Amino acid sequence: QKEVEQNSGPLSVPEGAIASLNCTYSDRGSQSFFWYRQYSGKSPELIMSIYSNGDKEDGRFTAQLNKASQYVSLLIRDSQPSDSATYLCAPKRDSSYKLIFGSGTRLLVRP
Amino acid sequence: KAGVTQTPRYLIKTRGQQVTLSCSPISGHRSVSWYQQTPGQGLQFLFEYFSETQRNKGNFPGRFSGRQFSNSRSEMNVSTLELGDSALYLCASSLDGIGTDTQYFGPGTRLTVL
Repeated sequence: QKEVEQNSGPLSVPEGAIASLNCTYSDRGSQSFFWYRQYSGKSPELIMSIYSNGDKEDGRFTAQLNKASQYVSLLIRDSQPSDSATYLCAPKRDSSYKLIFGSGTRLLVRP
Repeated sequence: KAGVTQTPRYLIKTRGQQVTLSCSPISGHRSVSWYQQTPGQGLQFLFEYFSETQRNKGNFPGRFSGRQFSNSRSEMNVSTLELGDSALYLCASSLDGIGTDTQYFGPGTRLTVL
């Protein structure tokens, strides 16, 4: 079993729709969760972080965390073509210095 | 505040050579992590440095090494290059690397081994 599982996609949604990106992780000791966006040929950039169970909203982005189910998701409302990218989920233990990345979900937003 | 910088941005080497990559973290950040990204393996952790000390190392052969200087700048070295070392090498910096500390990535160095 992979440490972090993400559907590779592509997830295709029309412009203006809600995109839902999911991630499951195996390490129950994970305490911080990070979502990064990576455009083709570029480096990852931080979208959001979440540490507590529940929802965290930032603009068009909402991160959801359920530690009991070992599940974290990212919702993108009013998706735009500029949101087309690969989204990487990365859990982290507080005692660890490294991020464990999933393989990423490729999102395509159709105009 | 300036972001993480990495040099060089692109590098072409031949098998058997060695290479040194450089990373300058965000001002005030003392933790520097290195990752390798390939299409097949994704993003994989190489090592992390804080105050010139390696605190964590990923599952890579000894050909991969690194160091950190007193100004928090870091270098990584790959000796005896193999074709499979072709990858995007990413450096990320954070304040101290622990707890909920966020890592910010540099633009990366794309290494091609011929």
